[in-house]
Amino acid sequence: GAGVSQTPSNKVTEKGKYVELRCDPISGHTALYWYRQSLGQGPEFLIYFQGTGAADDSGLPNDRFFAVRPEGSVSTLKIQRTERGDSAVYLCASSLRGGPFDEQFFGPGTRLTVL
Amino acid sequence: KQEVTQIPAALSVPEGENLVLNCSFTDSAIYNLQWFRQDPGKGLTSLLLIQSSQREQTSGRLNASLDKSSGRSTLYIAASQPGDSATYLCAVSPRPQAGTALIFGKGTTLSVSS
Repeated sequence: GAGVSQTPSNKVTEKGKYVELRCDPISGHTALYWYRQSLGQGPEFLIYFQGTGAADDSGLPNDRFFAVRPEGSVSTLKIQRTERGDSAVYLCASSLRGGPFDEQFFGPGTRLTVL
Repeated sequence: KQEVTQIPAALSVPEGENLVLNCSFTDSAIYNLQWFRQDPGKGLTSLLLIQSSQREQTSGRLNASLDKSSGRSTLYIAASQPGDSATYLCAVSPRPQAGTALIFGKGTTLSVSS
């Protein structure tokens, strides 16, 4: 089947605006992760979902960031009052059960630019 | 706090050379280590995953080794090709429990010239 998909591929917004980034995981994968990758850096963890619930949101930088996964499949990362420092590539990954043996499969990412 | 370092940050080699990419981590209490490839503007492709109880994994021209006690892993690429040009990322899974987020290094950008 298809891999992890993310939309949009690119998003340009103005400082202070609200944005939503979408992730479609691999069908049947219960675990879903969001990471953020700034230029020249490795990806950094934001939040992990097991099914519909956020099992670990310790990586969210502040309360402007929020994510949901209401039906246990598609997830949306929401950023309020965007700041220029939020500019980065936002990567989504999914794995079968979220276990330590499970490989994480990554999507192509959404490149967010805040002007 | 677990930190992952990759050396060198960039590497340029002529086609056909064998090469080694290095990854080190500060806390040996990892569950597994993965090597990824990232092409410009693309997501991450998993290359090799080594469980903490394993010493190495091989896939085609790639061989990854793990020395958990010394906090080191190497990715060996044999007979490099221009198509190998990409950024290679090393990531560790720091806790033996479900849902563990990966901790990444900054990557090594490889350029193989023909």
